[in-house]
Amino acid sequence: ETGVTQTPRHLVMGMTNKKSLKCEQHLGHNAMYWYKQSAKKPLELMFVYNFKEQTENNSVPSRFSPECPNSSHLFLHLHTLQPEDSALYLCASSQGDTNTGELFFGEGSRLTVL
Amino acid sequence: GQNIDQPTEMTATEGAIVQINCTYQTSGFNGLFWYQQHAGEAPTFLSYNVLDGLEEKGRFSSFLSRSKGYSYLLLKELQMKDSASYLCAVTDSNYQLIWGAGTKLIIKP
Repeated sequence: ETGVTQTPRHLVMGMTNKKSLKCEQHLGHNAMYWYKQSAKKPLELMFVYNFKEQTENNSVPSRFSPECPNSSHLFLHLHTLQPEDSALYLCASSQGDTNTGELFFGEGSRLTVL
Repeated sequence: GQNIDQPTEMTATEGAIVQINCTYQTSGFNGLFWYQQHAGEAPTFLSYNVLDGLEEKGRFSSFLSRSKGYSYLLLKELQMKDSASYLCAVTDSNYQLIWGAGTKLIIKP
């Protein structure tokens, strides 16, 4: 099992669709993150969960809804997205959430909104 | 505001040496990271500097000067597989991680 696994790897959806991205980590970490990566832009932190509790919501629009049922799983529910939401969505985990330790990333879910 | 600057793209020759610079303006400093990201793959950790000086790890080295708000990643004996994007990130005084936009490194034979 790879450390952090994301599914699906690619997703195309219309603006009225509802879909979910899934992330699973097998590293025993307590913190999980959602990042948005757009071309030639810095990584944008979206949400942070520590021991299943959301510790950060970085002013993300409500059309993105995270869910963390346990320390190993993280979801990003998507509904009524806009074309500008097309990007690579990266999940990451770490041992502790103080950003002094290494982040382990999944390979991302490439989202295209039509 | 907080800002991380690094070149958008660099080109180097196989077998050569390349230095990727990163300058930062952040509210405080609690460490600097370098990550490597191959196209279509996950970013992977390369190095972490919290004190001034050079950290060497095989062909890769990372340097930090906190007084200058400056770091560089040095890649020696370049190989084709080193073609990737290199991301610089700084942890500020609130332990927020501030990311640069990344430097795309192209290695030519």
